Amino acid sequence: QSVLTQPPSASGTPGQRVTISCSGSSSNIGSNTVNWYQQVPGTAPKLLIYTDNQRPSGVPDRFSGSRSGTSASLAISGLQSEDEAHYYCAAWDDSLNGPVFGGGTKLTVL
Amino acid sequence: QVQLQESGPGLVKPSETLSLTCTVSGGSISSYYWSWIRQPPGKGLEWIGYIYYSGTTNYNPSLKSRLTISVDTSKNQFSLKLSSVTAADTAVYYCARRMVGATGLDYWGQGTLVTVSS
Repeated sequence: QSVLTQPPSASGTPGQRVTISCSGSSSNIGSNTVNWYQQVPGTAPKLLIYTDNQRPSGVPDRFSGSRSGTSASLAISGLQSEDEAHYYCAAWDDSLNGPVFGGGTKLTVL
Repeated sequence: QVQLQESGPGLVKPSETLSLTCTVSGGSISSYYWSWIRQPPGKGLEWIGYIYYSGTTNYNPSLKSRLTISVDTSKNQFSLKLSSVTAADTAVYYCARRMVGATGLDYWGQGTLVTVSS
């Protein structure tokens, strides 16, 4: 049972825009910024979005993030086949004094 | 380019101690927080703990009684020891670097699968 709640799956066709939600509580998303990771099966997670809406160098601007209250979301526009992966949200938790993760969302590009 | 590489046994017997080392290359271990994260097969990510280069640590309470994380700045390495392991500790173990001034983990090792079995 993950601390942050994500839908287990999402899908879209090439070129579409998809969003993935992430729900938490006052001790994590409600008071701290959110990071998003992309994980292709068999590889390590890759930082996709940090501090709610910042992209590391090299991450396309098709990826964007937002946070409001105790929820956050990741949006992917102009969906491409290579976007097929698992996506995890994460946020610092004040009770844990460490990061908590969502259970992950498997994105399928139809 | 910073690179992280986990090393250690891939098979550990139940009740024994799991030991892993993460070697950092292409950059200094100084001035950063370094984390261990694990992922059971087919499941999500779990934070294990972190260490600052100075030696300050913080552990996931669910593992704290069995966990030790240490750092060796002279070798640019940090290590994980998890005692009294059970099958529930079977997972891919990742080491990762936390960004300065943010909580994102920007560099990750490739991960190493540790199986707990007799």
